[in-house]
Amino acid sequence: DAGVTQSPTHLIKTRGQHVTLRCSPISGHKSVSWYQQVLGQGPQFIFQYYEKEERGRGNFPDRFSARQFPNYSSELNVNALLLGDSALYLCASSLAVDSNYGYTFGSGTRLTVV
Amino acid sequence: QQQVKQSPQSLIVQKGGISIINCAYENTAFDYFPWYQQFPGKGPALLIAIRPDVSEKKEGRFTISFNKSAKQFSLHIMDSQPGDSATYFCAVLDSGGGADGLTFGKGTHLIIQP
Repeated sequence: DAGVTQSPTHLIKTRGQHVTLRCSPISGHKSVSWYQQVLGQGPQFIFQYYEKEERGRGNFPDRFSARQFPNYSSELNVNALLLGDSALYLCASSLAVDSNYGYTFGSGTRLTVV
Repeated sequence: QQQVKQSPQSLIVQKGGISIINCAYENTAFDYFPWYQQFPGKGPALLIAIRPDVSEKKEGRFTISFNKSAKQFSLHIMDSQPGDSATYFCAVLDSGGGADGLTFGKGTHLIIQP
């Protein structure tokens, strides 16, 4: 079975640009969460979606947005990129919002803003 | 305010020894306590998780010890192997507090010397 797949794996953008990151959850999983991991730190929660609805949002500016599609895949969008947005962006999928099912992470998208 | 404090930041253990990593939290509403293992270039992988109704959980060489009154939990890796060399993160979650996502510690860089 395929795990959580994220694309692209690496990306270089210029300050002020926009970026879209994509995530496909494990088959059957209906919840997708996004995390930002800055080098040397633990992942930080950005969004959680379940059944195409936003269920939670972390402490990130409005430049960050996301959505979930009918097939449960998800996109994370970041506008007006800053140098500080350089990080590993991780997607995690779960059967449902309930933590009883655990969260499985993808390998992430490494975003570099120059 | 840091919701979960992880220590030590780095740890060197001889092959066959016991690796111990500790985490402390403040919010008594947290009810899910996972440990993740992360290798360079990969996303975090769930190792083992515990809920506050038990004081210990063991899976293979990995054990979580949980002290509800002290608001602390720890990961013990028995018979540590060079393949265990990775970064370990503890995390906490309030399942009933809305979808706020996992809150991670800052990580422990573990090196197992052969």
